[in-house]
Amino acid sequence: AQSVAQPEDQVNVAEGNPLTVKCTYSVSGNPYLFWYVQYPNRGLQFLLKYITGDNLVKGSYGFEAEFNKSQTSFHLKKPSALVSDSALYFCAVRDISASKIIFGSGTRLSIRP
Amino acid sequence: GAVVSQHPSRVICKSGTSVKIECRSLDFQATTMFWYRQFPKKSLMLMATSNEGSKATYEQGVEKDKFLINHASLTLSTLTVTSAHPEDSSFYICSATTGQGRNTIYFGEGSWLTVV
Repeated sequence: AQSVAQPEDQVNVAEGNPLTVKCTYSVSGNPYLFWYVQYPNRGLQFLLKYITGDNLVKGSYGFEAEFNKSQTSFHLKKPSALVSDSALYFCAVRDISASKIIFGSGTRLSIRP
Repeated sequence: GAVVSQHPSRVICKSGTSVKIECRSLDFQATTMFWYRQFPKKSLMLMATSNEGSKATYEQGVEKDKFLINHASLTLSTLTVTSAHPEDSSFYICSATTGQGRNTIYFGEGSWLTVV
């Protein structure tokens, strides 16, 4: 069975500092990994995905994520945080043959000015 | 990216009535659509997966007779909450994709349901 874990409920970062939101996954085969962001009272917006190839994936709004197969991790990163990055972030995994996508519990990112 | 439209964004209904939420893929054909429920400050709970033209597959614990899902075309899926109760009040989000595996899943903006 596939699963994904986000160990941090909340991450607090000062504006301008680098940020990391952690995600680890478990699938039986090769994973497809996704990051989504949710602003208050809104749906989810797609940020980036890892399918195959380069382990460093670049996405929207300056975010990137690094796929690490040995550590089964897909941490979300940004070199310099903005206050507007404050939101709820979800990591998700989809098995190569699966239809549905499984979400982590979410991490609330708070960027202070 | 692809656009998924969800309507209504907010709805209030009386206890015992039924309410329908629509999910449309505006610029792509969605072979598969998903319906989620999200409680305050919580993650998304997958309710059901629907493939165009076939019956929805419900997750364990989700009452299929209460949450009716129809996916009659490649661009439209509907969720009908029947005989709504106050505990059904929640944020419902739909999503859509063109296929399995590597295909990105795109989300609607969500619908707030309040049952009074």
